[in-house]
Amino acid sequence: LAKTTQPISMDSYEGQEVNITCSHNNIATNDYITWYQQFPSQGPRFIIQGYKTKVTNEVASLFIPADRKSSTLSLPRVSLSDTAVYYCLVGDGNAGGTSYGKLTFGQGTILTVHP
Amino acid sequence: NAGVTQTPKFRVLKTGQSMTLLCAQDMNHEYMYWYRQDPGMGLRLIHYSVGEGTTAKGEVPDGYNVSRLKKQNFLLGLESAAPSQTSVYFCASSPTSIWWEAYNEQFFGPGTRLTVL
Repeated sequence: LAKTTQPISMDSYEGQEVNITCSHNNIATNDYITWYQQFPSQGPRFIIQGYKTKVTNEVASLFIPADRKSSTLSLPRVSLSDTAVYYCLVGDGNAGGTSYGKLTFGQGTILTVHP
Repeated sequence: NAGVTQTPKFRVLKTGQSMTLLCAQDMNHEYMYWYRQDPGMGLRLIHYSVGEGTTAKGEVPDGYNVSRLKKQNFLLGLESAAPSQTSVYFCASSPTSIWWEAYNEQFFGPGTRLTVL
């Protein structure tokens, strides 16, 4: 399973755009990049996933360069309620793969949004 | 839909006692997972199941057993609890997918906080 590295913590202010970068130098061809959000005393919640280039949904964007060795989660105009831990994961998207469905959660990035 | 539910929400055990944590999902998902999360750390995969009647070891399986007798349920057992098993346990489920489609999303339960004295 590919290892990911992301900053331990980040601070931001309400209304700002936040970019959290994750490195995954050993990403495999079948691996997808997924980001989860976790609030205290809750289970993680899926935010976004992608394979290459850019993916956007109603809450975030995910930028993946051509070499796929890193990715950046972008949260537009954060609010206090975005204060949480954000996890970057890579996992095998091939249903026949031996590591399919097995996700490795690192320590994540603690994002604190200030008023 | 209730999604993923876990029973119980809290439990205190004494060293050597046994217990079973129940996870249930009503989304007809094939895959189910058990994770543990220790303070300040990410989640670590204990065991997982790719379908009814099948289970497999994850990253930290020692001291735990699992069973998937019904598709909607995934049980995690501690035969002889130890203080090192004090943790928050999360269950998750996901549908199957094929790789050229979007990678699957895992849906997590609310967690079970277990303390072993």
